[in-house]
Formats: sequence, C-alpha cells, structure tokens
Amino acid sequence: KQEVTQIPAALSVPEGENLVLNCSFTDSAIYNLQWFRQDPGKGLTSLLLIQSSQREQTSGRLNASLDKSSGRSTLYIAASQPGDSATYLCAVTPGNTGKLIFGQGTTLQVKP
Amino acid sequence: NAGVTQTPKFQVLKTGQSMTLQCAQDMNHEYMSWYRQDPGMGLRLIHYSVGAGITDQGEVPNGYNVSRSTTEDFPLRLLSAAPSQTSVYFCASSYTGYTSTDTQYFGPGTRLTVL
Repeated sequence: KQEVTQIPAALSVPEGENLVLNCSFTDSAIYNLQWFRQDPGKGLTSLLLIQSSQREQTSGRLNASLDKSSGRSTLYIAASQPGDSATYLCAVTPGNTGKLIFGQGTTLQVKP
Repeated sequence: NAGVTQTPKFQVLKTGQSMTLQCAQDMNHEYMSWYRQDPGMGLRLIHYSVGAGITDQGEVPNGYNVSRSTTEDFPLRLLSAAPSQTSVYFCASSYTGYTSTDTQYFGPGTRLTVL
C-alpha cells in the first residue's frame, strides 16, 4: 500500500531563508507527484506537478525535484517570505487513475 | 471561470440526519472526486467519477453516496450522518484524471459537524 510521509510536520524560519520541504513515498510506481499549498480554512492550490519521467519542475521561487528510485521529492523555496506561511502537501498518483494519496503536510511559518 | 465551487461552506447536523454537499465546476473537466480531511489522517478519497454516469469508490466510501448526471456537478450525499463524519470535505476536478499532466483543482471545502 502506497504511503506518503512528509517531514518535518512543522517548520519555522526567518524571512529570507532558503528552505527545503521533504516528501517520501513507499512505492516508486507513481504516475506523477504534486505539491499543494493550503492556507488556514481554505482549499488546496496546486503549486507544481512533476510527471514520473521528469526530475524537476520550477515555478518562480519554487523548485520541486523527484527521485522515483529512492521514493523522494523535495520542494525548495528560495528567499522565503511571510506570505509563504501555509501548509504544504505532497500527493502522489499511483497509476493513471486520478486518485491522489496525500502526505500529512508540513506547516511552514516564515517570521518577518 | 469560477473553478470548483462547493456549498454550503459550513453545516451542522444531528446524528441520523441526511444532507447533500454540492460541488460544481465550470472547466469542462471529466474527472471529479471527493476527499475528506481529518487531523492526523490527512486527505482521503471518498468517491470519484471519470465522467457523467460513471462513479467509483475511493478509500473511505462507507456512509456516502454519489451520482454524476452532468459533467459539471458531483454531489456527495450523507445518508444518515454520524459523528465520525465530522470533517472538512473537499471536491476536486481535473481534465481527464488519467493524463500524467493533469493538475487537480480543489474547491474551498465544506466544514461539517455532526452532533
């Protein structure tokens, strides 16, 4: 059974710091991996999607990498800002089914 | 485009009551799904649909029914509400669900409390 783990559960950093969020999954047979952002009391917003054949995707200050063989993905946030404070969720799609299996998220606080 | 919309935003039910959570999307997406989010459990798939007239069960389907009569709408029905169904419910949609580039779009959620 596919399991997704995100470490750490919470992270607090000063503004301007570069940071890395980690996601690991137990079964390397994934179709794609997505990183989402969730603000308190809100829905999920897709940040980056990495296909299984890709190694990384970039959007602005965000860079996500994927190493299928080791079952790991990282989300790199450059020059963090207070507006980046949110919960970041990693989810994998095990095959072409559309079903997402989520990690429990990392709650990020960026202090001014 | 309004994207994925959900109503109501908040709901309080008594045990045994039934209700329908509404979900609609205006992006002509074929794939729609329902998740529940619980502290310590993360998001879990309840039901999903790959197109009008086609639905299937996810990881935690018990106590819920769905139907998909149109491409746009995918309501979730609670048959007889139980306190264990207290949760935040999210509806999501994507273009096909089976293309590796399909991004999933989520609604704002419905916060349900069952007393």
